[in-house]
Amino acid sequence: DTGVSQNPRHKITKRGQNVTFRCDPISEHNRLYWYRQTLGQGPEFLTYFQNEAQLEKSRLLSDRFSAERPKGSFSTLEIQRTEQGDSAMYLCASSSGQGNAADTQYFGPGTRLTVL
Amino acid sequence: GQQVMQIPQYQHVQEGEDFTTYCNSSTTLSNIQWYKQRPGGHPVFLIQLVKSGEVKKQKRLTFQFGEAKKNSSLHITATQTTDVGTYFCAGYGAGSYQLTFGKGTKLSVIP
Repeated sequence: DTGVSQNPRHKITKRGQNVTFRCDPISEHNRLYWYRQTLGQGPEFLTYFQNEAQLEKSRLLSDRFSAERPKGSFSTLEIQRTEQGDSAMYLCASSSGQGNAADTQYFGPGTRLTVL
Repeated sequence: GQQVMQIPQYQHVQEGEDFTTYCNSSTTLSNIQWYKQRPGGHPVFLIQLVKSGEVKKQKRLTFQFGEAKKNSSLHITATQTTDVGTYFCAGYGAGSYQLTFGKGTKLSVIP
């Protein structure tokens, strides 16, 4: 499978715990995005990487959230001191990055986080 | 910040009927993209519109981008049960890599 992969697919944690999710983009895609989606809503942009550089972060993103893409390939999203409001589907997407900003994003299956 | 609104939120149609969802942005968009998300699935890219007034067709689906590049529509002719899902529009603002999604229109098709 050469699509975007995400692990784990499901995560249940207790409030206050830290969690980390991983995203493996499509090979050779240099752009990587993280989104959060709650029930009945569209995906909400969290952050964007061009290779290893984090170029955009949502102003709504709490300081408890941090993302990395150390070698410009896979990325991790960490949430510290989780809260019940963090319960959501966390989606990763990648794009080839050729041309202008508006290239096609390919989404992974997501990681569903439940905070008890 | 940029907001993208979609109507209706839900649409129930009889199989064979047409379906339309509308998308409006609070700001001018550099382009608009449409995605489909099946129940339990992830968003899948359908199409991108870039030019003012652009119309594109994919079989029974027709996509339009408004002249002012602030609104768009998706029309499905003669719906089938395979069309079930939530349709999202999403747009980039000028010079931004942030893709803003609407809340989506959830389509149900009654056989």
